[in-house]
Amino acid sequence: DTEVTQTPKHLVMGMTNKKSLKCEQHMGHRAMYWYKQKAKKPPELMFVYSYEKLSINESVPSRFSPECPNSSLLNLHLHALQPEDSALYLCASSQDGSRGQGDYEQYFGPGTRLTVT
Amino acid sequence: AQSVSQHNHHVILSEAASLELGCNYSYGGTVNLFWYVQYPGQHLQLLLKYFSGDPLVKGIKGFEAEFIKSKFSFNLRKPSVQWSDTAEYFCAVNSYSSASKIIFGSGTRLSIRP
Repeated sequence: DTEVTQTPKHLVMGMTNKKSLKCEQHMGHRAMYWYKQKAKKPPELMFVYSYEKLSINESVPSRFSPECPNSSLLNLHLHALQPEDSALYLCASSQDGSRGQGDYEQYFGPGTRLTVT
Repeated sequence: AQSVSQHNHHVILSEAASLELGCNYSYGGTVNLFWYVQYPGQHLQLLLKYFSGDPLVKGIKGFEAEFIKSKFSFNLRKPSVQWSDTAEYFCAVNSYSSASKIIFGSGTRLSIRP
């Protein structure tokens, strides 16, 4: 099974709402990632979890709060978002990159299309 | 800092034409190189990767890429494209010293005329 699943597929939320994005993988990967992708742009790294610990935060605003409850699950909690946060949010997983030479691929989920109104 | 450049933003080809998409990276250390593809409405998937060894790597769907270290390049090629190759193509790189962090190029949109 080389699948990364993400829910929901689409999410519309107001600026005062609190919502969460979910990601799951069953490949035994110990690194999981959140990316943000705007239309016609490349994915931008937001967070990296390695062995369920946050290892990279790319200076993401605190209105985005990641959580890794276990090695298979990754959440992104959203609160007080702005319209400019509307984007496709991608989750990915891989073998742990922090302990090797990076010679592995990242497997991406289909993404959650987020619209902030 | 690492960077990846894809000079072709939009490429339009007819079916059966040959394809070459350029990718150059900027990094002085040892790197791993990737090409990812994003078909319309689908998720990012790996086309091919270079870690070490033979600089000519073959990927899925008839794609190949050549790593030329002296030119810091990793160009993607396909001898004969099909309409189904219409997609966004991203070159990406990570380094041994920052293995968790993949840097993506800006992408090249490939449109194939049937």
